Amino acid sequence: DSGVTQTPKHLITATGQRVTLRCSPRSGDLSVYWYQQSLDQGLQFLIQYYNGEERAKGNILERFSAQQFPDLHSELNLSSLELGDSALYFCASSAGQGENSGANVLTFGAGSRLTVL
Amino acid sequence: GEDVEQSLFLSVREGDSSVINCTYTDSSSTYLYWYKQEPGAGLQLLTYIFSNMDMKQDQRLTVLLNKKDKHLSLRIADTQTGDSAIYFCAVANAGNNRKLIWGLGTSLAVNP
Repeated sequence: DSGVTQTPKHLITATGQRVTLRCSPRSGDLSVYWYQQSLDQGLQFLIQYYNGEERAKGNILERFSAQQFPDLHSELNLSSLELGDSALYFCASSAGQGENSGANVLTFGAGSRLTVL
Repeated sequence: GEDVEQSLFLSVREGDSSVINCTYTDSSSTYLYWYKQEPGAGLQLLTYIFSNMDMKQDQRLTVLLNKKDKHLSLRIADTQTGDSAIYFCAVANAGNNRKLIWGLGTSLAVNP
């Protein structure tokens, strides 16, 4: 157990629907990252939050949004789902926001597997 | 733009050494990481190296960094079937937020 909790583990839904993925970071970590992993595109960084504020944005579609709450858990909302959104979605956490001089080690959750039919 | 490349597959025999290679483009990279992803699981940090180091050894793992060629390698000695996994190279740039650039991962198959 990495200490990063993601729910649900598996999700099957239809095109056009909306889903919410949830992540609880490791205790003490202030940063949360969302990644999408698919067979054809590898690991794609979506977005990072630090202590409730958006810190960095990657290849996140406009149909997707995320937020980090005061208790530091985060949610990734995926709407108007398409077949191509089927993927593993990982949440990772780290202690800092990545701009200090030390290594920024990410701890990953086990992922949420989304299947869009 | 910044890029990290890895070969996609590697197959070795149990007991042999495995060498997984990674090349990157950003010469200002600071920290370079190796993560492992076992089937059905998330990624877990294996080791990392700071850019002012050439080598780091941790039990069966040896990381070599050639800054001139922008080449990073991970050597696993005495490879076991439990080492079968996908290995990701990730490189942190020196810019704002030390953004991580990820390779596509190398799938290591260990044959008995």
